[in-house]
Amino acid sequence: AQRVTQPEKLLSVFKGAPVELKCNYSYSGSPELFWYVQYSRQRLQLLLRHISRESIKGFTADLNKGETSFHLKKPFAQEEDSAMYYCALTSGATNKLIFGTGTLLAVQP
Amino acid sequence: KAGVTQTPRYLIKTRGQQVTLSCSPISGHRSVSWYQQTPGQGLQFLFEYFSETQRNKGNFPGRFSGRQFSNSRSEMNVSTLELGDSALYLCASARDTTGTEAFFGQGTRLTVV
Repeated sequence: AQRVTQPEKLLSVFKGAPVELKCNYSYSGSPELFWYVQYSRQRLQLLLRHISRESIKGFTADLNKGETSFHLKKPFAQEEDSAMYYCALTSGATNKLIFGTGTLLAVQP
Repeated sequence: KAGVTQTPRYLIKTRGQQVTLSCSPISGHRSVSWYQQTPGQGLQFLFEYFSETQRNKGNFPGRFSGRQFSNSRSEMNVSTLELGDSALYLCASARDTTGTEAFFGQGTRLTVV
């Protein structure tokens, strides 16, 4: 079965601390992995996708096929990073996104 | 470039009624997908349309239906509303169907009383 698991509902860190939001997936085949972010009172938007291999707002995510993980990392958290983060996957031949349950990141001053 | 527009933003309906939600994708985008977001179940896929054809359907009862028009605008309909249908319904558009970036609307908040 296709599934995305985000084990933490809430992650609270202090400004300047490293952040790692965990994402594990279950998929038979080669999925495309994404991180979407929803800031307060804003619409859901793409943060980054594994095939682009780029860093957005200081965030990076590496696809580990052996561990079926796609963890999101940032070395130094900022208060403006506080938001809801969703990991998602698709097959690449469709736009059907399977989302994890999301992790609320709270960055304390 | 205008983003994905969903109307109405808020709806209150009574159990047993039906409701139609509308989504206008970004100009040039031909793929529209719908999701239901609830605190308990999170974001769940409803349908995907491309060029007026339904390409994928999620695990929802037949009371949930949708369609896409020739101008790529999409509507979803929920008949015989139940209290559990209360949710935020999100629409997302994409240029094609190859798993490219999806752009989301603000959503329609449906409350069933």
